[in-house]
Amino acid sequence: EVQLVESGGGLVQPGRSLRLSCAASGFTFDDYAMHWVRQAPGKGLEWVSGISWNSGSIGYADSVKGRFTISRDNAKNSLYLQMNSLRAEDTALYYCAKDIKQWLGKDAFDIWGQGTMVTVSS
Amino acid sequence: QSALTQPPSASGSPGQSVTISCTGTSSDVGGYNYVSWYQQHPGKAPKLMIYEVSKRPSGVPDRFSGSKSGNTASLTVSGLQAEDEADYYCSSYAGSLVVFGGGTKLTVL
Repeated sequence: EVQLVESGGGLVQPGRSLRLSCAASGFTFDDYAMHWVRQAPGKGLEWVSGISWNSGSIGYADSVKGRFTISRDNAKNSLYLQMNSLRAEDTALYYCAKDIKQWLGKDAFDIWGQGTMVTVSS
Repeated sequence: QSALTQPPSASGSPGQSVTISCTGTSSDVGGYNYVSWYQQHPGKAPKLMIYEVSKRPSGVPDRFSGSKSGNTASLTVSGLQAEDEADYYCSSYAGSLVVFGGGTKLTVL
């Protein structure tokens, strides 16, 4: 079964850090680009970051650039999001999503996890 | 980068057709044929319905179709069914990043 399982979310104070993980199974992980997409409570979807199959191409939304770092470990079939200097507006459900292609640039997401909730509050 | 513009709501009766628009700029929707559409039911993860403007992933009914004209993309749902009631989001490649629309709540009357 094709599956993405996110973990690492929780309650964190403003200014602190958190690292999200996404475990992939059921498909050849290193054949595809991967992304993080978030959804604030009651709000729409917001693309956060994407990484190509070999980590050679990476992109970030302006809202997280310089604070968040995406990475992947193809040997472990895992995607990560290091989130630093967290703000209240980063509060959201964070989804891991598989791209239909190897490289960034077409960016259609055909497999999604169930998400991990990040709450930034003092 | 601004979000793409979608109507907040749309509705139709069972069996009817409804079209949802998604308006961007020449830097996103108008500049690339990389528009996708997602369906999201309450409490569930999004599901890819259309990619590259008009292509359907395997398993998506052909009642769902996509098109684009200039800076505006459209999703048409024909032969509306009760299970089509959901939120729909468009997205577009925007040159090194991805931008989503604000979402449209589709109600089947």
